[in-house]
Amino acid sequence: GDSVTQMEGPVTLSEEAFLTINCTYTATGYPSLFWYVQYPGEGLQLLLKATKADDKGSNKGFEATYRKETTSFHLEKGSVQVSDSAVYFCALSGNTGGFKTIFGAGTRLFVKA
Amino acid sequence: ETGVTQSPTHLIKTRGQQVTLRCSSQSGHNTVSWYQQALGQGPQFIFQYYREEENGRGNFPPRFSGLQFPNYSSELNVNALELDDSALYLCASSLGRWGNNEQFFGPGTRLTVL
Repeated sequence: GDSVTQMEGPVTLSEEAFLTINCTYTATGYPSLFWYVQYPGEGLQLLLKATKADDKGSNKGFEATYRKETTSFHLEKGSVQVSDSAVYFCALSGNTGGFKTIFGAGTRLFVKA
Repeated sequence: ETGVTQSPTHLIKTRGQQVTLRCSSQSGHNTVSWYQQALGQGPQFIFQYYREEENGRGNFPPRFSGLQFPNYSSELNVNALELDDSALYLCASSLGRWGNNEQFFGPGTRLTVL
């Protein structure tokens, strides 16, 4: 069945460092891909999404490109801030018109001042 | 615009009991999905309701059941609680039942089964 694998955390970076969180997926058909973020004490919220191959999703300085050839959707940010400390989840859904969203296990990011 | 709310925030039950969790969807949203999030894991899809009908479910046993009401709020019921049911239960609402629609999550209900 469909699945999402993302890099294990925690990831610890200094402020202004470059961030990459790897995400790969297994799916038949053409799913939509998402990154969700969970800040401390808050609910999950959508960070960005891409609905077809080669699409780039972007928001708040984060970006990810839907790569069908490598089945990947890596999250990147050029310069992280302390306020980016959170848990990041890669997810897929809408495969062949379906409804189920499948999440990865999450990657915790700590950013030090 | 009111976001997704869930109640209660925390709950402690004993093995074998039954529990009901509640979710109010965001205004205008007709679809509610429920997820179970174990500690340190990503959310696992339980089921989805679209316009008061179950639209599909994940790999959860029948003792996990739900309802959606005419105002699109929803309940998750779990019978015969087991220790492994201890988790954060998340509700998410969206406009439309397809997975590529943005989902808006509530803060969750933390269930502890002793």
